[in-house]
Amino acid sequence: AQSVTQLDSQVPVFEEAPVELRCNYSSSVSVYLFWYVQYPNQGLQLLLKYLSGSTLVKGINGFEAEFNKSQTSFHLRKPSVHISDTAEYFCAVSDDTNAGKSTFGDGTTLTVKP
Amino acid sequence: KAGVTQTPRYLIKTRGQQVTLSCSPISGHRSVSWYQQTPGQGLQFLFEYFSETQRNKGNFPGRFSGRQFSNSRSEMNVSTLELGDSALYLCASSLGLAGLNEQFFGPGTRLTVL
Repeated sequence: AQSVTQLDSQVPVFEEAPVELRCNYSSSVSVYLFWYVQYPNQGLQLLLKYLSGSTLVKGINGFEAEFNKSQTSFHLRKPSVHISDTAEYFCAVSDDTNAGKSTFGDGTTLTVKP
Repeated sequence: KAGVTQTPRYLIKTRGQQVTLSCSPISGHRSVSWYQQTPGQGLQFLFEYFSETQRNKGNFPGRFSGRQFSNSRSEMNVSTLELGDSALYLCASSLGLAGLNEQFFGPGTRLTVL
């Protein structure tokens, strides 16, 4: 069975500082990984995804993530955050045995302070 | 293209009643997935429909059911409502199977059970 663990429930950072949101997954087969963002009172939207190929994935709004198979991780990073990045971030995993089912992590609340 | 729409946006029901939520996917999308979002449990997968067939189901009781119509619109039904069913119900559509494609989320239906 697949599972996702987001290691930090809340991450406070100051504006223009770098940030890393951590995500570890568990699956016995090839995985597909996603990061979604949910701004206050809005639905989720895709930041980036890894299906295959290059392990460094670039997404929208300056975010990137690196797929590390040996450490079963897919951490999200941004070199310099803005106030507008304040939101909840979700890591999700699916795999070949359950191609229609995405398992989401519990979310990480990123709060960017001035 | 119009985004994913969900109706109604807000709903208040009492215990024991039943409720039907509706989701209209993005035109051309064949997959619709439903999620329950609560502060304590995060984002929980309910089920996915693809071309009118239920492809995957999460770990929810039989009180939760759904269906998909030939135009890809989907409905979710919850019978015999319980207080714990109070949540934000999110619908997401994708071109192909949800686990392999970007999911586009609607704004959600906020259900309150009194």
